[in-house]
Parts: sequence; C-alpha cells; structure tokens
Amino acid sequence: QKEVEQDPGPLSVPEGAIVSLNCTYSNSAFQYFMWYRQYSRKGPELLMYTYSSGNKEDGRFTAQVDKSSKYISLFIRDSQPSDSATYLCAMSVQGAQKLVFGQGTRLTINP
Amino acid sequence: DAGVTQSPTHLIKTRGQQVTLRCSPKSGHDTVSWYQQALGQGPQFIFQYYEEEERQRGNFPDRFSGHQYPNYSSELNVNALLLGDSALYLCASSSTGQGQETQYFGPGTRLLVL
Repeated sequence: QKEVEQDPGPLSVPEGAIVSLNCTYSNSAFQYFMWYRQYSRKGPELLMYTYSSGNKEDGRFTAQVDKSSKYISLFIRDSQPSDSATYLCAMSVQGAQKLVFGQGTRLTINP
Repeated sequence: DAGVTQSPTHLIKTRGQQVTLRCSPKSGHDTVSWYQQALGQGPQFIFQYYEEEERQRGNFPDRFSGHQYPNYSSELNVNALLLGDSALYLCASSSTGQGQETQYFGPGTRLLVL
C-alpha cells in the first residue's frame, strides 16, 4: 500500500464548475500538507500549504485537511481552462526533509 | 528574483553511461532536494543536501549520488545508467530557517536512457 493515494483521473469538467481533488494517506505522522500544480513538461508549482488540520483559502482555491480521516482535499471554484494541469498532493512529517507525493490527478477544464 | 534553475533541460544517454545534472536554488535558500518523476507518477524523493552534506536519502541505490557546493548549488550524479532511469529529474530548494516543508521546484531535467 502506498503512503499517499490519489486518483489519477483523468477528470474533465466544464468551465465554471467547482472541482474537488482528494488524497488519502496512511502515515499518521504527516503534519504538513501541500498541493502542487504541474503543467505538461514543467516542474511542480506550489499552490497551497497547510499545517495540521483545518481549512485554508487563497482566491479560488480552498485546501482542507482532516487528520482524523487521513484525508485532504483541494477545491477549485469558478474553474478556468488555464487550470487544466496535473494536481499533486504532497505531505511531510514535521521536521522531516522529504515530501511524499500522490500519483497526481490530471484535470481538464473544457471551455 | 530568480527561481530554481536546472541544467540541462534535456539529455539523452545510453545504458551504462554516467550523467551529471545541475541545480541552482532559489535566492535565499540553502537546502536542495532531488526527486525523480517517472511518466504518469508523482515525484519520488532521492536525497536532500544541507551544509554540503547529504541529510536524508530515499530508497534509491548507491548509483545515485550528489554534491552541494558552498554557494548552495547542487549536482545529481547517476552511474551505470539503466533504461529505468529515464525520467524527469526535479530539484527543489527550501530555506532551513523558514521551515523545510515549503519546497520550490525547478523546471526539471528530462533524461532519456537508450
């Protein structure tokens, strides 16, 4: 079993829709949770960063962490074609050095 | 403010050869991590360098080695290349003083082993 599970998709939605992306994990020691966006043939770009449980909002993006369920989510409101990319969840243990990534979900927003 | 830079952007090698990839961290960052991303997969942690020493290592063989220079730039070396080493190699930098968890990635080096 992988430490971090993420549905690879692909996920295709119409422009303006609300998108929900999710990851589950097995290591209860994870304390830091991140979402990265990766365009084709580019490096991952940090979108959201959350410590422990709770919600964090930044513009059209909301990240949620539920440590009791070992489940994290990223919501994208008013989705745009420019949001089409692969979204990677990543986690780390407090004080640890390495990030553990999910497989990534490939998202397409259709105009 | 320059972000993380990597060179070269693309590389083609044959089995058994050796390769060196280079990374310059974001300005103000002193910690460099390397990741391997196979096609359709998430990045896998190789190792991290801080103060010119390898601080943590992932599940990769000794064929993968690295170095960090006093100016914080870093190299990833892979010996005896295998077909399975074909991947996107990502460098990420962070600042130990600001918390190691926020890592910023470069554009990557795409390695093809024939």
